[in-house]
Amino acid sequence: AQKITQTQPGMFVQEKEAVTLDCTYDTSDQSYGLFWYKQPSSGEMIFLIYQGSYDEQNATEGRYSLNFQKARKSANLVISASQLGDSAMYFCAMREGPRGFNTDKLIFGTGTRLQVFP
Amino acid sequence: GAVVSQHPSRVICKSGTSVKIECRSLDFQATTMFWYRQFPKKSLMLMATSNEGSKATYEQGVEKDKFLINHASLTLSTLTVTSAHPEDSSFYICSARGGGLDVRENTEAFFGQGTRLTVV
Repeated sequence: AQKITQTQPGMFVQEKEAVTLDCTYDTSDQSYGLFWYKQPSSGEMIFLIYQGSYDEQNATEGRYSLNFQKARKSANLVISASQLGDSAMYFCAMREGPRGFNTDKLIFGTGTRLQVFP
Repeated sequence: GAVVSQHPSRVICKSGTSVKIECRSLDFQATTMFWYRQFPKKSLMLMATSNEGSKATYEQGVEKDKFLINHASLTLSTLTVTSAHPEDSSFYICSARGGGLDVRENTEAFFGQGTRLTVV
């Protein structure tokens, strides 16, 4: 069963507008972590934001915020005030197991290509 | 912040030769390193997990003898693609995690720049 689902293969947003990238996950673990990464055309994976399953508040990092709805098993990324440089692939990922558990690993979604236009 | 450096960024090799890719953690000790493969316009597929000083754990379907992983020190892991063939052409990317108290180092947040391998 697919554990991370990103249903939007592509999204468009106008510069300075906000955009939400969807991510749903499936796990039976009580302790897990959710990540968002940005991958520009150069290929590097840039860490954006992290949300732990026990974190009570939604994570925020500058223009990025994570809309974490635990009961719905969703972890949507919200980018505010989009910039042209935000155009890239965005991947949602999940790590099962408690933080620091040495044998855990990341499972990635299929990604969403975001294009920001002027 | 934690930095992971991967080298080379691009490599072209002849079919039948071997290619080594290095992944270094520059400012923290990486107790665990992960190697991924990414096909064009696809997601990242975990190939193996390596812990310093022990044998790597390979994911199902990944050939151990084909993709040799060595994690000899806390700052360096290498992936060697042996007897490369055109179907091994892909984008390979590593990530590193430390074991310290820094939450970012501890949550596998940092990736190398990736290596684009082309086998001709």
